Amino acid sequence: AQKITQTQPGMFVQEKEAVTLDCTYDTSDQSYGLFWYKQPSSGEMIFLIYQGSYDEQNATEGRYSLNFQKARKSANLVISASQLGDSAMYFCAMRERPVSGNTPLVFGKGTRLSVIA
Amino acid sequence: NAGVTQTPKFQVLKTGQSMTLQCAQDMNHNSMYWYRQDPGMGLRLIYYSASEGTTDKGEVPNGYNVSRLNKREFSLRLESAAPSQTSVYFCASTGAYYNEQFFGPGTRLTVL
Repeated sequence: AQKITQTQPGMFVQEKEAVTLDCTYDTSDQSYGLFWYKQPSSGEMIFLIYQGSYDEQNATEGRYSLNFQKARKSANLVISASQLGDSAMYFCAMRERPVSGNTPLVFGKGTRLSVIA
Repeated sequence: NAGVTQTPKFQVLKTGQSMTLQCAQDMNHNSMYWYRQDPGMGLRLIYYSASEGTTDKGEVPNGYNVSRLNKREFSLRLESAAPSQTSVYFCASTGAYYNEQFFGPGTRLTVL
């Protein structure tokens, strides 16, 4: 079974609108971390936001917020006020217990976001 | 402070050739990782090194070997390249308490 599922291969959004990228995860661990990365056409992986499983509040970083619904095992990324520069591939990833530096991330297959002017 | 560096950026090999992808980080991180990225597949873990002196297989280790040369460097070797190894390879590292995995710029490898 896939650990990270991103059901939207591609999404379109109008500039200045908000968009939600879906991510569901599968784990039996109580302690885990959830990540979102952006990959523009230039190819580099850019860290956007992190949510720990014990964090009570949803993580926010500027225009990015993570809608964390633990019971549903979902960690959707919300981008507010989309910009043309947000057009990229977006990956959801999870780090399972122990939540320390040495556990590898497991990635979803990604969602390609296109922002339309 | 260069972060995570990878060499080369691009490489073309013929089937059966060997090569080593180099990765280094200057952030004093304990853990390092090699991923490959194929279209529609996301990033898949090849090998990782939780700390200097240890290495472990990931999801897709066949056809690869790794060496954690020291705390800074983690290399990936293809002994006999196959067309199925055509991919983009990313090296990454994480410190003990960081909630972020830092990625190198990637190596685009084509095996003919």
